[in-house]
Amino acid sequence: DAGVIQSPRHEVTEMGQEVTLRCKPISGHDYLFWYRQTMMRGLELLIYFNNNVPIDDSGMPEDRFSAKMPNASFSTLKIQPSEPRDSAVYFCASNAGGQDTQYFGPGTRLTVL
Amino acid sequence: QQQVKQSPQSLIVQKGGISIINCAYENTAFDYFPWYQQFPGKGPALLIAIRPDVSEKKEGRFTISFNKSAKQFSLHIMDSQPGDSATYFCAASPLRGKLIFGQGTELSVKP
Repeated sequence: DAGVIQSPRHEVTEMGQEVTLRCKPISGHDYLFWYRQTMMRGLELLIYFNNNVPIDDSGMPEDRFSAKMPNASFSTLKIQPSEPRDSAVYFCASNAGGQDTQYFGPGTRLTVL
Repeated sequence: QQQVKQSPQSLIVQKGGISIINCAYENTAFDYFPWYQQFPGKGPALLIAIRPDVSEKKEGRFTISFNKSAKQFSLHIMDSQPGDSATYFCAASPLRGKLIFGQGTELSVKP
């Protein structure tokens, strides 16, 4: 089992640039979650999908953030334009409907200069 | 009402000692309470979980104690080992699929 795959693992960019984070959930999982982790705010749920449809995006901080899930095996989280305060570790997680356990990817460490 | 409050923020325990981390919630609709363990550079991973119909669950050296009336639950790590040094997150589920996490506790077990 490959687990949840995220890319890139590290991203350094300059303020104002567009950033795209990618996630491949575990095969067969129909829920996908995007989280942001910072020292100040801990683990925050940004958005989650069920069967490729966004269910709850109330955690998305502002319009600069957008997420898509074009198919069951791929999702993106885009920040445009990026700001220094977006610097954080972004995690993707997935689970199968009927199960409670969420399986996390290794995360993408984003640094916005 | 959607918050989960976790304490302490950091904890230092001697090898062989007991580590205790506490969490409190307000929303009585929460029906699933997991604990996740995170090592540096890794994503969180499920450690142990409980539902409100039981007051305690034990898996090896890890025990969850759950107090429904007080709306509190805690993680106890018996015989703590240096390999247990990690960040621990409690969480609660308001509905299937969604988790609200506590702020995390950084545990350091000294040899």
